[in-house]
Amino acid sequence: KQEVTQIPAALSVPEGENLVLNCSFTDSAIYNLQWFRQDPGKGLTSLLLIQSSQREQTSGRLNASLDKSSGRSTLYIAASQPGDSATYLCAVKGNTPLVFGKGTRLSVIA
Amino acid sequence: GAVVSQHPSWVICKSGTSVKIECRSLDFQATTMFWYRQFPKQSLMLMATSNEGSKATYEQGVEKDKFLINHASLTLSTLTVTSAHPEDSSFYICSLHGTGGGTDTQYFGPGTRLTVL
Repeated sequence: KQEVTQIPAALSVPEGENLVLNCSFTDSAIYNLQWFRQDPGKGLTSLLLIQSSQREQTSGRLNASLDKSSGRSTLYIAASQPGDSATYLCAVKGNTPLVFGKGTRLSVIA
Repeated sequence: GAVVSQHPSWVICKSGTSVKIECRSLDFQATTMFWYRQFPKQSLMLMATSNEGSKATYEQGVEKDKFLINHASLTLSTLTVTSAHPEDSSFYICSLHGTGGGTDTQYFGPGTRLTVL
């Protein structure tokens, strides 16, 4: 059974810092991996989707990498802003519906 | 990507009542929809997979008689929480499965916040 772990559970950084969020998964037989953002009490916003054949995806200040063989992904956020404060969820897609990690709660302090 | 709507966005009800949550695909015909539940500060947990025209498949530990799922058309799936109790208070999110452009992905609704008093 696929399990997804995200570290750290919470992170607080000053504005302008670059930061890395980590995600690991137990079963490397995946089709893709997605990073989502969730604001308090809200739904999910898809940030980046990486196919199993890809190594990374970039969108603006966000860069996500995937090392399928080791079961790891990272989300890199450059020049963080207070508006980046949210919970970031990692989810993997295999032969089952998306399996989610518990998320990393990010606070960017102005 | 596909646009998914949910109604209502939030609902407060008394213990013992039943609540119906609708999930609509506005521009996509979804043969498969998923229902997730998220407790405070927890991750999304899959409750069931809803297939159009057939019975839903429930995850282990989810009571099928309590959480009734109907996927009567390619654009509508409903989740009914029967005889709701305070422990059913949660954030319910539907998702539909898409394979557009060669990408196997899921599109999510905005969620429904259920509070049972």
